[in-house]
Amino acid sequence: DGGITQSPKYLFRKEGQNVTLSCEQNLNHDAMYWYRQDPGQGLRLIYYSQIVNDFQKGDIAEGYSVSREKKESFPLTVTSAQKNPTAFYLCASSPTTDSYEQYFGPGTRLTVT
Amino acid sequence: SQQGEEDPQALSIQEGENATMNCSYKTSINNLQWYRQNSGRGLVHLILIRSNEREKHSGRLRVTLDTSKKSSSLLITASRAADTASYFCATDAQGAQKLVFGQGTRLTINP
Repeated sequence: DGGITQSPKYLFRKEGQNVTLSCEQNLNHDAMYWYRQDPGQGLRLIYYSQIVNDFQKGDIAEGYSVSREKKESFPLTVTSAQKNPTAFYLCASSPTTDSYEQYFGPGTRLTVT
Repeated sequence: SQQGEEDPQALSIQEGENATMNCSYKTSINNLQWYRQNSGRGLVHLILIRSNEREKHSGRLRVTLDTSKKSSSLLITASRAADTASYFCATDAQGAQKLVFGQGTRLTINP
Protein backbone atom coordinates (compact mmCIF):
# COMPACT_ATOMS: atom_id res chain seq x y z
CA ASP A 1 0.00 0.00 0.00
CA GLY A 2 3.07 2.24 -0.10
CA GLY A 3 2.84 5.72 1.33
CA ILE A 4 -0.87 6.21 0.81
CA THR A 5 -3.28 5.96 3.68
CA GLN A 6 -7.04 5.85 3.55
CA SER A 7 -9.25 6.07 6.56
CA PRO A 8 -11.36 4.57 7.85
CA LYS A 9 -11.18 1.04 6.42
CA TYR A 10 -14.91 0.51 6.97
CA LEU A 11 -17.54 3.25 7.06
CA PHE A 12 -21.24 3.02 7.69
CA ARG A 13 -23.72 5.79 7.03
CA LYS A 14 -27.44 6.33 6.84
CA GLU A 15 -29.01 7.23 3.54
CA GLY A 16 -29.22 10.99 3.03
CA GLN A 17 -26.00 11.80 4.87
CA ASN A 18 -22.89 13.16 3.24
CA VAL A 19 -19.69 11.34 4.11
CA THR A 20 -16.04 12.25 3.53
CA LEU A 21 -13.35 9.68 2.82
CA SER A 22 -9.78 10.55 3.65
CA CYS A 23 -6.75 10.00 1.40
CA GLU A 24 -3.24 11.09 2.38
CA GLN A 25 0.07 10.41 0.63
CA ASN A 26 3.64 11.09 1.72
CA LEU A 27 5.20 10.20 -1.63
CA ASN A 28 5.38 13.82 -2.83
CA HIS A 29 3.28 12.84 -5.84
CA ASP A 30 1.60 15.54 -7.89
CA ALA A 31 -1.30 13.47 -9.21
CA MET A 32 -4.02 11.82 -7.15
CA TYR A 33 -7.06 9.77 -8.12
CA TRP A 34 -10.29 8.40 -6.69
CA TYR A 35 -11.82 5.18 -7.99
CA ARG A 36 -14.94 3.26 -7.18
CA GLN A 37 -15.03 -0.55 -7.31
CA ASP A 38 -18.22 -2.61 -7.16
CA PRO A 39 -18.18 -6.35 -6.37
CA GLY A 40 -16.52 -8.37 -9.10
CA GLN A 41 -15.93 -5.29 -11.19
CA GLY A 42 -13.02 -3.18 -12.30
CA LEU A 43 -12.21 0.33 -11.18
CA ARG A 44 -14.10 3.37 -12.39
CA LEU A 45 -12.56 6.81 -12.13
CA ILE A 46 -14.47 9.36 -10.06
CA TYR A 47 -12.15 12.38 -9.92
CA TYR A 48 -8.48 13.10 -10.40
CA SER A 49 -6.14 15.95 -9.63
CA GLN A 50 -2.90 16.83 -11.37
CA ILE A 51 -1.82 19.66 -9.08
CA VAL A 52 -2.94 21.44 -5.94
CA ASN A 53 -6.16 23.45 -6.27
CA ASP A 54 -7.06 21.74 -9.53
CA PHE A 55 -9.10 18.61 -10.27
CA GLN A 56 -11.06 17.04 -13.12
CA LYS A 57 -14.13 14.86 -13.30
CA GLY A 58 -13.69 11.24 -14.17
CA ASP A 59 -16.23 8.90 -15.69
CA ILE A 60 -18.65 8.77 -12.75
CA ALA A 61 -18.33 12.11 -10.92
CA GLU A 62 -22.04 12.70 -10.33
CA GLY A 63 -22.88 12.68 -6.63
CA TYR A 64 -19.27 13.12 -5.56
CA SER A 65 -17.07 16.11 -4.74
CA VAL A 66 -13.36 16.55 -4.00
CA SER A 67 -10.88 19.18 -2.90
CA ARG A 68 -7.11 19.45 -3.29
CA GLU A 69 -5.97 22.15 -0.90
CA LYS A 70 -2.72 20.39 -0.04
CA LYS A 71 -0.44 18.26 -2.19
CA GLU A 72 -0.61 15.32 0.19
CA SER A 73 -4.38 15.25 0.70
CA PHE A 74 -7.28 14.51 -1.64
CA PRO A 75 -10.52 13.92 0.32
CA LEU A 76 -13.62 12.58 -1.40
CA THR A 77 -17.12 13.51 -0.29
CA VAL A 78 -19.93 11.16 -1.17
CA THR A 79 -23.04 13.31 -1.19
CA SER A 80 -26.66 12.37 -0.68
CA ALA A 81 -27.11 12.89 -4.42
CA GLN A 82 -25.14 9.73 -5.16
CA LYS A 83 -27.86 7.17 -5.85
CA ASN A 84 -25.93 4.02 -5.05
CA PRO A 85 -23.00 4.95 -2.79
CA THR A 86 -22.30 1.54 -1.26
CA ALA A 87 -18.97 0.44 -2.77
CA PHE A 88 -15.24 0.01 -2.22
CA TYR A 89 -13.38 3.30 -2.74
CA LEU A 90 -9.73 3.38 -3.73
CA CYS A 91 -7.38 6.33 -3.74
CA ALA A 92 -4.20 6.36 -5.81
CA SER A 93 -1.34 8.67 -6.64
CA SER A 94 1.41 8.96 -9.23
CA PRO A 95 4.41 11.30 -9.53
CA THR A 96 2.67 13.12 -12.37
CA THR A 97 -0.14 12.22 -14.70
CA ASP A 98 2.55 11.50 -17.29
CA SER A 99 4.08 8.90 -14.95
CA TYR A 100 1.59 6.21 -15.52
CA GLU A 101 2.31 3.81 -12.66
CA GLN A 102 -0.17 4.43 -9.89
CA TYR A 103 0.27 3.64 -6.20
CA PHE A 104 -2.88 2.62 -4.37
CA GLY A 105 -4.10 2.99 -0.84
CA PRO A 106 -5.76 0.10 1.04
CA GLY A 107 -9.29 1.30 0.27
CA THR A 108 -12.38 2.28 2.25
CA ARG A 109 -15.48 0.12 2.16
CA LEU A 110 -18.53 2.36 2.45
CA THR A 111 -21.92 0.93 3.33
CA VAL A 112 -24.97 3.15 3.19
CA THR A 113 -28.25 1.85 4.54
CA SER B 1 -15.87 3.85 -20.47
CA GLN B 2 -14.33 0.37 -20.34
CA GLN B 3 -11.15 0.27 -22.38
CA GLY B 4 -9.65 -3.05 -21.32
CA GLU B 5 -11.44 -6.37 -21.16
CA GLU B 6 -9.80 -9.32 -19.45
CA ASP B 7 -10.30 -12.92 -20.37
CA PRO B 8 -11.06 -15.25 -18.71
CA GLN B 9 -13.11 -13.67 -15.92
CA ALA B 10 -12.01 -16.47 -13.59
CA LEU B 11 -9.21 -19.01 -13.72
CA SER B 12 -8.45 -21.87 -11.32
CA ILE B 13 -5.26 -23.92 -11.62
CA GLN B 14 -3.01 -26.15 -9.55
CA GLU B 15 0.03 -24.81 -7.80
CA GLY B 16 3.07 -25.04 -10.04
CA GLU B 17 1.13 -24.64 -13.27
CA ASN B 18 1.35 -21.58 -15.48
CA ALA B 19 -1.48 -19.04 -15.60
CA THR B 20 -2.26 -16.94 -18.65
CA MET B 21 -4.61 -13.98 -18.68
CA ASN B 22 -5.53 -11.85 -21.66
CA CYS B 23 -6.54 -8.24 -22.09
CA SER B 24 -8.08 -6.58 -25.12
CA TYR B 25 -8.53 -2.86 -25.58
CA LYS B 26 -10.18 -0.56 -28.08
CA THR B 27 -8.16 2.57 -28.78
CA SER B 28 -4.51 3.38 -29.44
CA ILE B 29 -2.41 3.49 -26.31
CA ASN B 30 0.89 4.78 -25.00
CA ASN B 31 1.33 1.89 -22.61
CA LEU B 32 -0.47 -0.95 -20.89
CA GLN B 33 -0.10 -1.93 -17.26
CA TRP B 34 -0.98 -4.95 -15.16
CA TYR B 35 -2.00 -4.73 -11.51
CA ARG B 36 -2.78 -7.31 -8.84
CA GLN B 37 -5.43 -6.97 -6.14
CA ASN B 38 -5.70 -9.26 -3.17
CA SER B 39 -9.19 -9.58 -1.77
CA GLY B 40 -10.35 -6.40 -0.06
CA ARG B 41 -7.07 -4.58 -0.62
CA GLY B 42 -5.65 -1.91 -2.86
CA LEU B 43 -4.04 -2.61 -6.22
CA VAL B 44 -0.35 -3.29 -6.62
CA HIS B 45 1.47 -2.40 -9.83
CA LEU B 46 3.11 -5.40 -11.50
CA ILE B 47 4.49 -4.34 -14.84
CA LEU B 48 4.21 -1.67 -17.53
CA ILE B 49 4.78 -2.30 -21.21
CA ARG B 50 5.08 0.54 -23.70
CA SER B 51 3.38 0.56 -27.08
CA ASN B 52 6.71 0.11 -28.87
CA GLU B 53 7.59 -2.99 -26.81
CA ARG B 54 6.44 -6.51 -27.65
CA GLU B 55 7.47 -8.45 -24.58
CA LYS B 56 8.61 -7.74 -21.05
CA HIS B 57 9.70 -9.92 -18.15
CA SER B 58 9.74 -9.38 -14.41
CA GLY B 59 10.59 -12.40 -12.27
CA ARG B 60 7.92 -15.04 -12.94
CA LEU B 61 5.83 -12.58 -14.96
CA ARG B 62 5.90 -12.31 -18.72
CA VAL B 63 3.80 -9.73 -20.54
CA THR B 64 3.28 -9.50 -24.27
CA LEU B 65 1.69 -6.72 -26.25
CA ASP B 66 0.30 -6.92 -29.78
CA THR B 67 -0.78 -3.44 -30.83
CA SER B 68 -2.06 -4.67 -34.19
CA LYS B 69 -4.57 -6.88 -32.37
CA LYS B 70 -4.97 -4.44 -29.47
CA SER B 71 -4.30 -7.20 -26.98
CA SER B 72 -1.94 -8.14 -24.20
CA SER B 73 -1.30 -11.27 -22.18
CA LEU B 74 0.08 -11.82 -18.69
CA LEU B 75 1.78 -15.14 -18.00
CA ILE B 76 2.61 -16.19 -14.45
CA THR B 77 4.95 -19.16 -14.43
CA ALA B 78 5.28 -21.77 -11.69
CA SER B 79 2.26 -20.41 -9.83
CA ARG B 80 2.12 -20.29 -6.04
CA ALA B 81 -0.78 -20.11 -3.61
CA ALA B 82 0.23 -16.51 -2.89
CA ASP B 83 -0.54 -15.61 -6.52
CA THR B 84 -4.25 -16.03 -5.76
CA ALA B 85 -5.70 -12.59 -6.50
CA SER B 86 -7.52 -10.56 -9.13
CA TYR B 87 -5.44 -9.23 -12.00
CA PHE B 88 -6.33 -6.09 -13.92
CA CYS B 89 -5.00 -4.55 -17.07
CA ALA B 90 -5.05 -0.77 -17.40
CA THR B 91 -4.54 1.35 -20.45
CA ASP B 92 -4.08 5.01 -21.13
CA ALA B 93 -5.86 6.27 -24.20
CA GLN B 94 -3.40 8.41 -26.14
CA GLY B 95 -3.65 12.00 -25.01
CA ALA B 96 -5.55 11.12 -21.87
CA GLN B 97 -3.93 11.66 -18.50
CA LYS B 98 -5.72 8.83 -16.79
CA LEU B 99 -5.90 5.05 -16.78
CA VAL B 100 -8.86 2.92 -17.71
CA PHE B 101 -9.10 -0.47 -15.98
CA GLY B 102 -10.62 -3.68 -17.20
CA GLN B 103 -12.94 -5.84 -15.10
CA GLY B 104 -10.18 -8.22 -14.05
CA THR B 105 -9.39 -11.91 -14.00
CA ARG B 106 -9.90 -13.70 -10.71
CA LEU B 107 -7.08 -16.22 -10.35
CA THR B 108 -7.22 -19.06 -7.83
CA ILE B 109 -4.19 -21.26 -7.21
CA ASN B 110 -5.11 -24.57 -5.62
CA PRO B 111 -2.49 -26.18 -3.36
